[in-house]
Amino acid sequence: DIQMTQSPSTLSASVGDRVTITCRASQSISDWLAWFQQKPGKPPKLLIYKASSLEWGVPSRFSASGSGTEFTLTISSLQPDDFATYYCQQYDDSSWTFGQGTKVEIK
Amino acid sequence: EVQLVESGGGLVKPGGSLRLSCVASGIAFSTYTVTWVRQAPGKGLEWVSSISPSSNYLYYADSVKGRFTISRDNAKSSLYLQLNSLRAEDTAVYYCARARAGLRTPPDYWGQGTLVTVSS
Repeated sequence: DIQMTQSPSTLSASVGDRVTITCRASQSISDWLAWFQQKPGKPPKLLIYKASSLEWGVPSRFSASGSGTEFTLTISSLQPDDFATYYCQQYDDSSWTFGQGTKVEIK
Repeated sequence: EVQLVESGGGLVKPGGSLRLSCVASGIAFSTYTVTWVRQAPGKGLEWVSSISPSSNYLYYADSVKGRFTISRDNAKSSLYLQLNSLRAEDTAVYYCARARAGLRTPPDYWGQGTLVTVSS
């Protein structure tokens, strides 16, 4: 199975900060990567698909890049609604795998 | 409006069985690959199983292979997951989700989840 490793596991930041989360795949997945945001008690919300394509309705402060094995999610100016846990997910393989998550906390 | 509504969760003893259901509305259910993803309390997301539109292709995580069975009834816009030989580590919220256009697309619509607790 393809392993997905996110870093950091926890990130403390302030409103207005630029935040970057990294996701690494154990083998090349081309650009078959998605990013999700999850808040407590809620299902995940799709933010990014195909490594860098912004899902409809997602604010433009979210952006992402990468291909192969290295990927990043960037929030250009952190807003109060952005404090949540973020997951990457590969869908190159029929056995999907998720990263372990990055919790973005208020500093 | 797209809605996915799970049901069937509950408390079950180790070794027991449970059947989860997910009813879809607002989408042409029969044309989509659908999937189950679970989340243990305080933990991350784990893909469990996926099924193609015509049930021709079934996929399972190694952790549930041989114990869980995915199925669907397109006439009822419903997805199912039969959980057998349950273990404590199967305790989780189980989400159903739609893959936008086959397995090579991410899950874009998710249900609210149903909680399965395996405990004696």
